Amino acid sequence: EVQLVESGGGLVQPGGSLRLSCAASGFTFSSYEMNWVRQAPGKGLEWVSYISSSGSTIYYADSVKGRFTISRDNAKNSLYLQMNSLRAEDTAVYYCARVGVWATPDYWGQGTLVTVSS
Amino acid sequence: EIVLTQSPGTLSLSPGERATLSCRASQSVSSSYLAWYQQKPGQAPRLLIYGASSRATGIPDRFSGSGSGTDFTLTISRLEPEDFAVYYCQQYGSSLMYTFGQGTKLEIK
Repeated sequence: EVQLVESGGGLVQPGGSLRLSCAASGFTFSSYEMNWVRQAPGKGLEWVSYISSSGSTIYYADSVKGRFTISRDNAKNSLYLQMNSLRAEDTAVYYCARVGVWATPDYWGQGTLVTVSS
Repeated sequence: EIVLTQSPGTLSLSPGERATLSCRASQSVSSSYLAWYQQKPGQAPRLLIYGASSRATGIPDRFSGSGSGTDFTLTISRLEPEDFAVYYCQQYGSSLMYTFGQGTKLEIK
C-alpha cells in the first residue's frame, strides 16, 4: 500500500524557517517524481514544487522561488521542503504527492499544517 | 500560465441525480495532462480521473471524464451520499507547472 506521511509543520514567526519531511513507503520511492502542493485554509490547491526521481531536475512556483528548497534522500525514502523567509501567505496545509502516469499526482499524504504568524 | 476555471462554483443535487462539472482552460490543454480530484473536509485530495478520461485505481464507474482542448467535464452518473465533496480539475503544462481550478462544491440539496 502506498503511504506518504508528512511531518515538520507548526507555528513559525514571519521571516522564520521550517523544514518539512515526507516519509514514503509501499512503492519504489527512487523511481518516482514527487511534488509538494499546498492549500491555504478554506482555499484551493496550489502547486509548490517538483523534483525528479534522481533529484537532478527541480521546479518551483513563482510564489516560493528563492525561498523554498525541495530535496530528497532516496536511501531514506524521504522528500523534504526547506522553507525560509516565511510569510503569512505561506500559511497552509502542505501535501507531498507522488507523480504517476501522465505527470499526474496520484497518491497524496495527509498533509502537515504550517502557520506563519507573530 | 494556463488558468483553469471551474463551473458552477456550487452544485446542489440529490442522491441518485446526475452531476456534470465543467473545467475550462484559458488555452488548449493536452488531454493527457488533465486530471480530476475529489476532496472531503479534513482529507487529502483523491485522484479520480487522469488523462482526461481514465479512471484511477479503485474509482467507481459512475465517475467519468471527457473533453479536449479547452473544455473538460467530470460526470457522476448517479450520486451516492459519499460523493458530496469538493472537486478540482488540474493540468500539467508545457511551462512545467501544475495548475488547479478553484473547485466546485457538490452539496446535498
